[in-house]
Amino acid sequence: QSALTQPPSASGTPGQRVTISCSGSSSSIGSNTVNWYLQFPGTAPLLLIYSNNQRPSGVPDRFSGSKSGTSASLAISGLQSEDEGDYYCAAWDDSLKGVIFGGGTKLTVL
Amino acid sequence: QVQLQESGPGLVKLSQTLSLTCTVSGGSISIGGYYWTWIRQHPGKGLEWIGIMFSSGSTSYNPSLRSRLTISVDTSKNQFSLKLSSVTAADTAVYYCARVGVGYYDSSGSYYYYYGMDVWGQGTTVTVSS
Repeated sequence: QSALTQPPSASGTPGQRVTISCSGSSSSIGSNTVNWYLQFPGTAPLLLIYSNNQRPSGVPDRFSGSKSGTSASLAISGLQSEDEGDYYCAAWDDSLKGVIFGGGTKLTVL
Repeated sequence: QVQLQESGPGLVKLSQTLSLTCTVSGGSISIGGYYWTWIRQHPGKGLEWIGIMFSSGSTSYNPSLRSRLTISVDTSKNQFSLKLSSVTAADTAVYYCARVGVGYYDSSGSYYYYYGMDVWGQGTTVTVSS
């Protein structure tokens, strides 16, 4: 089982809309929901989106998620400087019987 | 609210066993609807899932670590632990424990699984040295 595939980097200017893709397989994203995590330097990741498109309380509605087939994406609208960080997608993998992560996408706000 | 805290030696000698404990506060580790997991992050790298303990007490491990790994729980202390034997430099990483939310009910009463890590410890750095 390989890691989920994410672009290593993404960028945008304040106010823009940015999307981050996440590609998996039939045993991971194809069979289970996708969660997204945001990690700031030196801190633990935090859950940003769960079950493809649900936001935990406290997460702004600028963040949204979607899933189609074996791929998912995270969209950030109205980009802000404080959105800079590393974004990871993750899903349960039925073959692994565990969690599989994407390699992470470093978001830069220009 | 529930908080997790990792503890254990920050330095482990080559070929020895790495032992970490995650203490759960603000809630019971035995509560239904949650699993408990370990994740690590090598310096400058992404997140790697290590293993998970299900509410039944059974476990599942990353195949790349399975032969060296044991995850266990001590409900009396509200803790779960990780033991990784025969460590090498490749085991140098920040180790996180996390709670895994299994599912949720939506407004219509339908239940959805999501296996999301909704509470994380702050992480502990472990260095393997000779």
